[in-house]
Amino acid sequence: DVKVTQSSRYLVKRTGEKVFLECVQDMDHENMFWYRQDPGLGLRLIYFSYDVKMKEKGDIPEGYSVSREKKERFSLILESASTNQTSMYLCASSSQSGQGAEETQYFGPGTRLLVL
Amino acid sequence: GDSVTQMEGPVTLSEEAFLTINCTYTATGYPSLFWYVQYPGEGLQLLLKATKADDKGSNKGFEATYRKETTSFHLEKGSVQVSDSAVYFCALAGNQFYFGTGTSLTVIP
Repeated sequence: DVKVTQSSRYLVKRTGEKVFLECVQDMDHENMFWYRQDPGLGLRLIYFSYDVKMKEKGDIPEGYSVSREKKERFSLILESASTNQTSMYLCASSSQSGQGAEETQYFGPGTRLLVL
Repeated sequence: GDSVTQMEGPVTLSEEAFLTINCTYTATGYPSLFWYVQYPGEGLQLLLKATKADDKGSNKGFEATYRKETTSFHLEKGSVQVSDSAVYFCALAGNQFYFGTGTSLTVIP
């Protein structure tokens, strides 16, 4: 089974702090994604990566950055946390085979972040 | 651009009732379509998928048929259980993944 793990299930930080959210997948997937989930808004893509050291902006990248130094690990960084970044953060990974059947995204359990 | 629109919730049903959650999509080309489920406090899990027109995805009693003519991928289950209470997301894999806003389902005994 594909396993995607996230470093924390719950996190409480203060405004202005630098926050690191870590995600690790064990299926040798090329693609990794960070989403935030908010009530009524569904999932919104923050950043994604198709390869090591490669990153692409999603729909809402402002206030975030990412790092992918190793294939299995994709980190989301909040440079200076703000209260409007309080949210559930979901990491996902997928294979890059492009054959349709393997486009499935596999999700981690999520990190619920509260910024005070 | 590509997008997914799904039925607004919340939906409340009695156990053994029939479930339909509507999903329509807009896309160029022929995307793969998915239903994901999110149980309370957890991440999203793949429920079922279909990769081409007229394909039917099925899992755990849930079904959805990829209808190109109506650009739809409605989720159905003939008899829901309390354990089906969750949030359901329709999704499309085009040039990137697009998710609907989610439909919350509560099944009462």
